Amino acid sequence: EVQLVQSGAEVKKPGESLRISCKGSGYSFTTYWIGWVRQMPGKGLEWMGIIYPGDSDTRYGPSFKGQVTISADKSISTAYLQWSSLKASDTAMYYCARAPYSSYGFDPWGQGTLVTVSS
Amino acid sequence: QSVLTQPPSVSGAPGQRVTISCTGSSSNIGAGYDVHWYQQLPGTAPKLLIYDNNRRPSGIPDRFSGSKSGTSASLAITGLQAEDEADYYCQSYDSSLSGYVVFGGGTKLTVL
Repeated sequence: EVQLVQSGAEVKKPGESLRISCKGSGYSFTTYWIGWVRQMPGKGLEWMGIIYPGDSDTRYGPSFKGQVTISADKSISTAYLQWSSLKASDTAMYYCARAPYSSYGFDPWGQGTLVTVSS
Repeated sequence: QSVLTQPPSVSGAPGQRVTISCTGSSSNIGAGYDVHWYQQLPGTAPKLLIYDNNRRPSGIPDRFSGSKSGTSASLAITGLQAEDEADYYCQSYDSSLSGYVVFGGGTKLTVL
């Protein structure tokens, strides 16, 4: 079974750094793009960026370039989403998802990681 | 403002048919990029419902169908059931700027 398992919920203060993870299993991790999607409370889905673990080719959405860093460690089949200095506005649910289809159609999705940033 | 436009809400009675539209432009749907649809039940992660415009993943009932024409796409749900009450999102690719993934703003389906 293809599965993406994300790291647990985080509570952080503004200015702190954070890295959340997404571990893939049940498929060849290096041969599919992995995307990250943000969902702010009560809002819709926003594409943050995508990485190809095979060669770490990474693309970012216009709103997220320079705000986050996406990386992957293919030796442990894990993708990461990282912030160097969190803001309260980063409070959201973050999902990773595999992109096996054209136009980066996503399936499956991870269960989500809730990040809360509050002083 | 989302690049792909969806109605904020639709509703229907059990057993009825509803459609959800997804309107794009010449740099995304109109450029020939495939459209995908996701269902997000309350408190859960999104799930792929339709891929490549009109294909259903294994396990998705044939009550769900997708279509695409010009710069728009549609999701149809027939034989509406209470468990279909959820948020639905369309998604495609946009070739403007350096190219990026785009989602619709989402549509809340209420089963009356």
